[in-house]
Amino acid sequence: ETGVTQTPRHLVMGMTNKKSLKCEQHLGHNAMYWYKQSAKKPLELMFVYNFKEQTENNSVPSRFSPECPNSSHLFLHLHTLQPEDSALYLCASSKASSGANVLTFGAGSRLTVL
Amino acid sequence: DQQVKQNSPSLSVQEGRISILNCDYTNSMFDYFLWYKKYPAEGPTFLISISSIKDKNEDGRFTVFLNKSAKHLSLHIVPSQPGDSAVYFCAASAYVNTNAGKSTFGDGTTLTVKP
Repeated sequence: ETGVTQTPRHLVMGMTNKKSLKCEQHLGHNAMYWYKQSAKKPLELMFVYNFKEQTENNSVPSRFSPECPNSSHLFLHLHTLQPEDSALYLCASSKASSGANVLTFGAGSRLTVL
Repeated sequence: DQQVKQNSPSLSVQEGRISILNCDYTNSMFDYFLWYKKYPAEGPTFLISISSIKDKNEDGRFTVFLNKSAKHLSLHIVPSQPGDSAVYFCAASAYVNTNAGKSTFGDGTTLTVKP
């Protein structure tokens, strides 16, 4: 266990479905992140939350809707996705105060949109 | 515009030899540079970091070198071991505010260490 748990690990959905990805950390970290990893592309930052307040939205389409009810939980709500949204979605957390801002990642949720 | 680049998609080395992974960046405002390692079906895990005010950081078999004038960093692994076979990501970190950082990643380099 990495300390960051993501569920589900695999998800297949149609373009009209609504689903959610869940991320949980009990490391005492204050910041949580969603990253997207597509084939042959670098990790792309999607959202940043600090103490459950969103501090960064990296021009992500509105069909991705994040929710952070507390510092330990992060959700990514998905609706009317496109096949090109198929990717590995990685959640990460950090105890960001000073220094290198080391991220602790979950194992990821592999999403396939049909 | 990709701010962090790893120009070698793959690298193969013999066990016991040195592995050198390279990374270039364009933004001189980055505060820290980090290397992460990723095994299949797992998330990336932190390996080593270096502050932008340093030029070298060493941790056991892993050493990171930073050349600010060239905007280039490298990760040296010596001696390389088969268990080091993984995808290595270079990342650069800058703070968006006092409590959350923003990390920009390279494409990754797949290292294969042959027994």
